Amino acid sequence: GENVEQHPSTLSVQEGDSAVIKCTYSDSASNYFPWYKQELGKGPQLIIDIRSNVGEKKDQRIAVTLNKTAKHFSLHITETQPEDSAVYFCAASQGTGTASKLTFGTGTRLQVTL
Amino acid sequence: GAGVSQSPSNKVTEKGKDVELRCDPISGHTALYWYRQSLGQGLEFLIYFQGNSAPDKSGLPSDRFSAERTGGSVSTLTIQRTQQEDSAVYLCASSYLNEQFFGPGTRLTVL
Repeated sequence: GENVEQHPSTLSVQEGDSAVIKCTYSDSASNYFPWYKQELGKGPQLIIDIRSNVGEKKDQRIAVTLNKTAKHFSLHITETQPEDSAVYFCAASQGTGTASKLTFGTGTRLQVTL
Repeated sequence: GAGVSQSPSNKVTEKGKDVELRCDPISGHTALYWYRQSLGQGLEFLIYFQGNSAPDKSGLPSDRFSAERTGGSVSTLTIQRTQQEDSAVYLCASSYLNEQFFGPGTRLTVL
């Protein structure tokens, strides 16, 4: 089955700096890669996703890159703000266009300090 | 619009008791998923339902766990003879295509 590894487990940055979280996956059949943000006591919230036919996607301060050959994908947050502090999860699935279970990384706790 | 809702938000039970957790998906979403999140850990897939197809039960950790989805909408996750290691947050998600939307979860504590 699919295995997703995520690094780092914790990340502390100063407000205004950039943050990068990296994930690798094992199954070359995976073709959909979402990123979720989870705040304390809440369910995960989808913040951005990318499909395997695209190498990069950007939404305001958030961007995701995908390298299919190396089987890794990354989340980039620029101009970080205190409200970006949360736990971020990457995930992978084989279900472009259809429903499919997600395999999650173990999460990165991001802390943005003033 | 209304998101995914789950009830109860918290459940404390004694070892050996059965529990039922409920999930109300987003209206129109054909797929419904259950995940488990242990303290400080990632999300572990349990089971998912897609339309009228047989559910994918490949993530259920033991035969004490079961789930059903009635009328293609509401789902109930049942854990029989609960054990302390079942303590976790149980998260439900629904989707129409790829994007899964999560509920707030049910925190289960087994004493």
